[in-house]
Amino acid sequence: AQSVTQLDSHVSVSEGTPVLLRCNYSSSYSPSLFWYVQHPNKGLQLLLKYTSAATLVKGINGFEAEFKKSETSFHLTKPSAHMSDAAEYFCVVSDRNAGKSTFGDGTTLTVKP
Amino acid sequence: DSGVTQTPKHLITATGQRVTLRCSPRSGDLSVYWYQQSLDQGLQFLIQYYNGEERAKGNILERFSAQQFPDLHSELNLSSLELGDSALYFCASSAHDSSTNTEAFFGQGTRLTVV
Repeated sequence: AQSVTQLDSHVSVSEGTPVLLRCNYSSSYSPSLFWYVQHPNKGLQLLLKYTSAATLVKGINGFEAEFKKSETSFHLTKPSAHMSDAAEYFCVVSDRNAGKSTFGDGTTLTVKP
Repeated sequence: DSGVTQTPKHLITATGQRVTLRCSPRSGDLSVYWYQQSLDQGLQFLIQYYNGEERAKGNILERFSAQQFPDLHSELNLSSLELGDSALYFCASSAHDSSTNTEAFFGQGTRLTVV
């Protein structure tokens, strides 16, 4: 069985400060991990993905995530938040044996001026 | 623009009715996935089709069904609608059979309101 837990339902940061969105996963096998972003009234857009290559993954818009197998974590970070980063973020875990992807409950990121 | 097109964007219908949601995948993508996003259940995988065949099933109710046509577009049929079916329904597509290692591209969703 696989599962994903996004540890914070809401995160609020000031513009220009770092962003940390936390994600822990559970998977029987070597998983693939993704972060998607959803802006209001928009579909989901892939930010980055980990598929057993480099453990530090760089994505779009300055985001990156580090796969830590020992901690079963895949936290999303960005050094400096921008107002346009305000959105909902979903962590997703997949493995071939499960045959499907499992989404976290989402983290709403608010960016204050 | 992801290249995935969903119609209609909004749908309002009464309880007990039946609706059809349509999805056109990105050009060249063979897999289509349907998801339901609601406030209480979050984002849930419903069903996947690959090149016309059903490949995986998630938390899809028996009142719901889907199909993928030879031109690869897909339809999600929702029948005997209940108030709780009100949600945002997303379609996604990917090039390969599974989204486990490949990026899935999402449409903008169909917002269904059941009154």
